[in-house]
Amino acid sequence: DTAVSQTPKYLVTQMGNDKSIKCEQNLGHDTMYWYKQDSKKFLKIMFSYNNKELIINETVPNRFSPKSPDKAHLNLHINSLELGDSAVYFCASSHGLAGETQYFGPGTRLLVL
Amino acid sequence: AQSVTQLGSHVSVSEGALVLLRCNYSSSVPPYLFWYVQYPNQGLQLLLKYTSAATLVKGINGFEAEFKKSETSFHLTKPSAHMSDAAEYFCAVRINSGNTPLVFGKGTRLSVIA
Repeated sequence: DTAVSQTPKYLVTQMGNDKSIKCEQNLGHDTMYWYKQDSKKFLKIMFSYNNKELIINETVPNRFSPKSPDKAHLNLHINSLELGDSAVYFCASSHGLAGETQYFGPGTRLLVL
Repeated sequence: AQSVTQLGSHVSVSEGALVLLRCNYSSSVPPYLFWYVQYPNQGLQLLLKYTSAATLVKGINGFEAEFKKSETSFHLTKPSAHMSDAAEYFCAVRINSGNTPLVFGKGTRLSVIA
């Protein structure tokens, strides 16, 4: 009964390929997020959805396209993968915004060769 | 815009010693402040948070943090380090104004020496 789950856990692919990462939460939250953690452990928000509506888009290249089919799912599709996209991608969810606790998934480790 | 500075990318303490991880924030309005912990190859887990109630906040695993507005600080402490505390610790800030993101510090790696 994992709260926030991500698939796949590991993803190794070639430059130029297109890949997707899926995220699901069973906490009944209305807000979901994608974060990128680089090799130096720096964690930065990419996108946030509230009730399936995009509310935060932090200057991410438009090769990255999030999709939220319902409040429990937030998927991330990446086109034309580049070496610099190699990172750990975390999904998170919360009930509302601001002071609410965000619950994180286990991460997807993406390596672009 | 809000920001967070964590002093020291790596802190090493002996088992049983005091843990002190420093966090200073910058915010134009009263902030919400968080400490998260990340164990190797895992996601982040909330340790504690300050949301304008009591300034001394107690969290899980014996950690606590004190919000000091005059010093713009939210340092994390634990009286006695345990080997299992070895992890990466992140301070984060968010303001209650529109759709603002949670902004993380660069993290502090805590090592505990037996």
